Amino acid sequence: AAGVIQSPRHLIKEKRETATLKCYPIPRHDTVYWYQQGPGQDPQFLISFYEKMQSDKGSIPDRFSAQQFSDYHSELNMSSLELGDSALYFCASSLYVSSGNSPLHFGNGTRLTVT
Amino acid sequence: GQQVMQIPQYQHVQEGEDFTTYCNSSTTLSNIQWYKQRPGGHPVFLIQLVKSGEVKKQKRLTFQFGEAKKNSSLHITATQTTDVGTYFCAGQNNNDMRFGAGTRLTVKP
Repeated sequence: AAGVIQSPRHLIKEKRETATLKCYPIPRHDTVYWYQQGPGQDPQFLISFYEKMQSDKGSIPDRFSAQQFSDYHSELNMSSLELGDSALYFCASSLYVSSGNSPLHFGNGTRLTVT
Repeated sequence: GQQVMQIPQYQHVQEGEDFTTYCNSSTTLSNIQWYKQRPGGHPVFLIQLVKSGEVKKQKRLTFQFGEAKKNSSLHITATQTTDVGTYFCAGQNNNDMRFGAGTRLTVKP
């Protein structure tokens, strides 16, 4: 079965550079979530999209932005990178139902290292 | 905003011992989900609880949802080395999903 695809798997950037992470959800899933996970920490919710509209916002810095495109893939754009942005970035997708109870399917993540 | 607390942060057990992790939300949840993340891997969905007081079992794993739909627990009976990983609860309210800090389980053979 198709899973959530994230690219790239690894990314190395220098401080103050920009980075773009991509996420391709499971076909027919209409909701995408972005999470940031530091070493030994729980996934921190950044932002989510439902039907190409931002549905919820978490602890996403102003330097970051994201969007969901017409084909439902999503991109997380990160500018003015800081050392503290080094982390594993997960994308997850789900299918929204009226009760909002659909489980999340995670991609393998993008490991961002800022030097 | 919604907060989800999870304890303990770490648990080290001898193989064959039982293990329990607890999750508590500051707000009433529409559902709670449990995920397992192996070292170096991504969170994998285990189960979802929706109803007040619901109990679900998956082999040696037992999941409970509190009557007030604000707390939940995961209990593993007779742990095995394959149970190693971090177990996260995730509380959902509408489209807002928040993860607990996770409980990292290590099992000594």
